[in-house]
Amino acid sequence: AQTVTQSQPEMSVQEAETVTLSCTYDTSESDYYLFWYKQPPSRQMILVIRQEAYKQQNATENRFSVNFQKAAKSFSLKISDSQLGDAAMYFCACFGNEKLTFGTGTRLTIIP
Amino acid sequence: EADIYQTPRYLVIGTGKKITLECSQTMGHDKMYWYQQDPGMELHLIHYSYGVNSTEKGDLSSESTVSRIRTEHFPLTLESARPSHTSQYLCASSEPRGGYGYTFGSGTRLTVV
Repeated sequence: AQTVTQSQPEMSVQEAETVTLSCTYDTSESDYYLFWYKQPPSRQMILVIRQEAYKQQNATENRFSVNFQKAAKSFSLKISDSQLGDAAMYFCACFGNEKLTFGTGTRLTIIP
Repeated sequence: EADIYQTPRYLVIGTGKKITLECSQTMGHDKMYWYQQDPGMELHLIHYSYGVNSTEKGDLSSESTVSRIRTEHFPLTLESARPSHTSQYLCASSEPRGGYGYTFGSGTRLTVV
């Protein structure tokens, strides 16, 4: 069985500051992928960043980067220079054995 | 532009009515999924399909049914809606290797009164 845990139901950050969202996972698969998805209020869920488990290098997409600690089964998301448009629910997810499992989400608020 | 579309965006309907939530994608993906998102925002897989004429139940038991007659179309049907069916329903699709991630539609927010 696959599990994904997000221990921070809510986070807030000042505009232009940096915030880190936490995620831990557990899977018995050796071949798996990790994702962060963003779901703005009443809008489409979109893929923010993707990490292949066999790659040691942390994925980066513009202001978004991850800290992938495979041994610790940790996959945190860092958002730099936070913007008002970053306000959303953020879901961590793990894909393995043909199944995508989501965490319970972290609601991120940006303080102007 | 390749995308995935869900209609209607919002639906308020009376108890006992039959409803169909539409989901279509233009990416040619064989794999499609339906998720139910509860008010706490947690996502639960309720149905999935790996291609035409293939449908499977997901992790969360659901009274809804699905069909997959065409690759691009994956509708979800509730024969008799109840207030307990009130939720947001998200449709998604993926390439054969799901490790590239899923593409989601905008969702249908269903309210049964």
